[in-house]
Amino acid sequence: DSGVTQTPKHLITATGQRVTLRCSPRSGDLSVYWYQQSLDQGLQFLIHYYNGEERAKGNILERFSAQQFPDLHSELNLSSLELGDSALYFCASSARDGTDTQYFGPGTRLTVL
Amino acid sequence: AQSVTQPDIHITVSEGASLELRCNYSYGATPYLFWYVQSPGQGLQLLLKYFSGDTLVQGIKGFEAEFKRSQSSFNLRKPSVHWSDAAEYFCAVGAGRLTGGGNKLTFGTGTQLKVEL
Repeated sequence: DSGVTQTPKHLITATGQRVTLRCSPRSGDLSVYWYQQSLDQGLQFLIHYYNGEERAKGNILERFSAQQFPDLHSELNLSSLELGDSALYFCASSARDGTDTQYFGPGTRLTVL
Repeated sequence: AQSVTQPDIHITVSEGASLELRCNYSYGATPYLFWYVQSPGQGLQLLLKYFSGDTLVQGIKGFEAEFKRSQSSFNLRKPSVHWSDAAEYFCAVGAGRLTGGGNKLTFGTGTQLKVEL
């Protein structure tokens, strides 16, 4: 158990819908990262938040957005869903220790029908 | 930009045999390097990491990896594989050395390990 929690574990929805994925980092970690894992794209970095502020963006679609709240949990919002958005979405957290060591949650499997 | 190559998509070994999974990285400076393991339906578990110092690093579950700067490699090894090691293994690189940490990880495409009993 990494200490990072993600809910829900599974999500099935229809095209055009909007969903919210939730992540709670390890106790004391200020950074939250979101990654998408799909068969065709592999593991791709989406976005990084540090203590409530966006720090970096990767290959994140405009239909996707994220935020980190004062209690440090983060939410990834996916809207106007398409079949191709079906994937495993991971969040990870890291300590402020000068390294890039990231601890991953169990992931949310999103299926868009 | 940093990149990672894992040239072997699938590897099959017999239980008790030794294992080496290859990883090559591309980065302008000495990066931070990681190996993660993903079991079916599970998240990514950190096996080991390299930042500096001794180029041979030890990790959990009996794994080790060796950083070779001249070959831009960070291969994962285990002297004797157990059936429970069957999983997908990912090598990753972070750019933290230049910025003090807090960077995204760039992952390889993964190597699927099958263990024959």
